[in-house]
Amino acid sequence: GDSVTQMEGPVTLSEEAFLTINCTYTATGYPSLFWYVQYPGEGLQLLLKATKADDKGSNKGFEATYRKETTSFHLEKGSVQVSDSAVYFCALIDGNFGNEKLTFGTGTRLTIIP
Amino acid sequence: DTAVSQTPKYLVTQMGNDKSIKCEQNLGHDTMYWYKQDSKKFLKIMFSYNNKELIINETVPNRFSPKSPDKAHLNLHINSLELGDSAVYFCASSLRTGGTEAFFGQGTRLTVV
Repeated sequence: GDSVTQMEGPVTLSEEAFLTINCTYTATGYPSLFWYVQYPGEGLQLLLKATKADDKGSNKGFEATYRKETTSFHLEKGSVQVSDSAVYFCALIDGNFGNEKLTFGTGTRLTIIP
Repeated sequence: DTAVSQTPKYLVTQMGNDKSIKCEQNLGHDTMYWYKQDSKKFLKIMFSYNNKELIINETVPNRFSPKSPDKAHLNLHINSLELGDSAVYFCASSLRTGGTEAFFGQGTRLTVV
């Protein structure tokens, strides 16, 4: 079955530090890949996505590249801010009929300190 | 305007009670979902509906029954609530099945005492 593995948290960084949150996946088909963010007390918001190999998703300074050869979709940001503190979820949809559901990783809690 | 709205936001109830959570989306999407988030933030799908038809039913106790009166609504009814049902339940919708992002509601925090 499909699965998503992302790095264990929590992750604590100083403001303006470089961020990487690792994500690897296993899927039977050709999945679309997503990063969702959950701010405290809120629902999930789509951060970025990539639908095919070598696509790069980007939003709000965050980037992730769909790497089929390494089955990875690592999230990066060059300079984090306090407002980036949240839980980040890597997810996939493999698109096969009858299995159209988001499979999530376990989430990585990110805290940015001033 | 709220895209995916669910009510109530908080629900505290006693064991053995029956409760419902309502969800509505105004995005014109065909597919709706219910996800459960446990205390460790782990998210797992429970159900998905496409145009009022059940597509996915994960291994969820049959005390949980989704109902979709039309494609803009997907309600979740829970019978005989148990302590282990305490979690945050998220409704979501997507334009169609497969490959497209989902839009999530704010969540319903259910506490069973």
